[in-house]
Amino acid sequence: DIQMTQSPSSVSASVGDRVTITCRASQGIAGWLNWYQHKPGKAPNLLIYAASSLQSGVPSRFSGSGSGTDFTLTISSLQPEDFATYYCQQANSFPITFGQGTRLEIK
Amino acid sequence: QVQLVESGGGVVQPGTSLRLSCAASGFTFSNYAMHWVRQAPGKGLEWVTIISYDGSNKFYADSVKGRFTISRDNSKNTLYLQMNSLRGEDTAVYHCAKDIERRGWSLSADYWGQGSLVTVSS
Repeated sequence: DIQMTQSPSSVSASVGDRVTITCRASQGIAGWLNWYQHKPGKAPNLLIYAASSLQSGVPSRFSGSGSGTDFTLTISSLQPEDFATYYCQQANSFPITFGQGTRLEIK
Repeated sequence: QVQLVESGGGVVQPGTSLRLSCAASGFTFSNYAMHWVRQAPGKGLEWVTIISYDGSNKFYADSVKGRFTISRDNSKNTLYLQMNSLRGEDTAVYHCAKDIERRGWSLSADYWGQGSLVTVSS
């Protein structure tokens, strides 16, 4: 199985800050990497697919990059609604695996 | 708009069975693979299983293989998860999710339901 490791596990930031979350795969997955936002009690929301493609309806302050084993999610200017948990997920092979999550909290 | 609504969760004893349903609307259900993903209390997301758009192919996580069965009824726009031999570690919110790719699968989910809570406890 491909292991996905996110860092940091949690981060505190303020509205307007730029935040970067990283995700590392235990083996190469080309660009088969997705990012999701999840708020408690809500449905997860796909932000980025194929490492860098912005899902329809997602604000442009979200961006993704990377290939192979190392990937990043960047939020260019945090908004109040962005405080949530973020997960990376590899879409290269079964079983599908997620990172452990990064909790983004208000400073 | 796309809607996915799970139902069938509840409190059950270890070793028993439960069937979850996911009612889909707002898209052509029969054209898309579907996933189940779960989240145990205080834990992250864990992929459980996928079924192809026509039901001919299925994959499972090792943690549920041989105990859980995914199925679909395209005439009813409904996805199912039959869970047998339930264990405490199966306690979680179960989300159904739609795959991005039409008539294939990309292992990426663009729409999710809010989930149904399954609690396995004696």
